[in-house]
Amino acid sequence: DVKVTQSSRYLVKRTGEKVFLECVQDMDHENMFWYRQDPGLGLRLIYFSYDVKMKEKGDIPEGYSVSREKKERFSLILESASTNQTSMYLCASRRTGQPQHFGDGTRLSIL
Amino acid sequence: DQQVKQNSPSLSVQEGRISILNCDYTNSMFDYFLWYKKYPAEGPTFLISISSIKDKNEDGRFTVFLNKSAKHLSLHIVPSQPGDSAVYFCAASSFGNEKLTFGTGTRLTIIP
Repeated sequence: DVKVTQSSRYLVKRTGEKVFLECVQDMDHENMFWYRQDPGLGLRLIYFSYDVKMKEKGDIPEGYSVSREKKERFSLILESASTNQTSMYLCASRRTGQPQHFGDGTRLSIL
Repeated sequence: DQQVKQNSPSLSVQEGRISILNCDYTNSMFDYFLWYKKYPAEGPTFLISISSIKDKNEDGRFTVFLNKSAKHLSLHIVPSQPGDSAVYFCAASSFGNEKLTFGTGTRLTIIP
């Protein structure tokens, strides 16, 4: 069974802080994704990666960056957190041609 | 610009009856479609998919129908069970593209 693990279920940070969200998958998947889920907006893609050290912008990359130094780990970085980045963040991974598997999400609050 | 639309934010269905969830898309390059189910405090889980070469795919109680000319797909759940109460997202992608575009979701409530 595919396991996608997000390091925190809940996180509270302050405006201006640098925030790291970590995601690890155990199935040797090439592709990894970061989404945010907001009421009425569904899931929106922030960044994705199709290989180690490779990254592609999604639909809403502004204010975010990512890091993929190892195949199993994909980190989302909020360079300077703002209140409009309060959201549910979801990480996913997939083998090419297969459906995405999601972690349980991190609910991030920026005060 | 919402390329994948789920126009019903919520739906209530009696237990044992059929649930029909709808999804429309605008991008004619989309050729692979998926449905995900999400319980509160959990990540979405994959339910069923369909490629554009088919118009129907079935898996147990779940059937997805694709009408390419209308750019419309639907998920049928029959019979509906209380455990089906969740938010359902449809998603779409195009060949060679790893990105999925998601709809806004429909909250399905099954009434016992």
